[in-house]
Amino acid sequence: NAGVTQTPKFQVLKTGQSMTLQCAQDMNHEYMSWYRQDPGMGLRLIHYSVGAGITDQGEVPNGYNVSRSTTEDFPLRLLSAAPSQTSVYFCASSYSNVRNQPQHFGDGTRLSIL
Amino acid sequence: KQEVTQIPAALSVPEGENLVLNCSFTDSAIYNLQWFRQDPGKGLTSLLLIQSSQREQTSGRLNASLDKSSGRSTLYIAASQPGDSATYLCAVRRTGNQFYFGTGTSLTVIP
Repeated sequence: NAGVTQTPKFQVLKTGQSMTLQCAQDMNHEYMSWYRQDPGMGLRLIHYSVGAGITDQGEVPNGYNVSRSTTEDFPLRLLSAAPSQTSVYFCASSYSNVRNQPQHFGDGTRLSIL
Repeated sequence: KQEVTQIPAALSVPEGENLVLNCSFTDSAIYNLQWFRQDPGKGLTSLLLIQSSQREQTSGRLNASLDKSSGRSTLYIAASQPGDSATYLCAVRRTGNQFYFGTGTSLTVIP
């Protein structure tokens, strides 16, 4: 039972570089989301998706792109990395049309931008 | 915008003590409230989920209550153990698919 799998676990980038954080779930969840966690600020929603082909912005979407071509995968793209994007990124999934089901989280990707 | 606050930010208690963690939110239009545990360097593990129509949920030594009208939830941990040391986060799910998290309470249980 893999649950939510995030790769890589750690990454160091230089300012201006681009990269994609991967997220995959095997629970057939319609809803998937990306958060960033910064000290003293809690988790903030970046983007979310309620199903394949459908995405929407969360609280802090600037500088990030997402797409959802399959139910299982929800990659997060940093287009041009900035030091302000240094953070821990979490992917989560849950059922969408059954709202009182818990969210499941991956172990996170720790990203440093130099 | 929904604001979620957790007080205290940090708590240290001796083993065996019963304790209460607090979570407050500003908008009572929620579907549910969820309590999570986060260990250092790890993701979030769901502990309890309370639906907006419920008053409380229990799992083992954990009991979570919800007072939607006053915008408050508490997580009660009975007979605390060193293994309970972690950061505890609450999150509310609003209408649609927006989730809002508190900044967490870091709990240390001293043997």
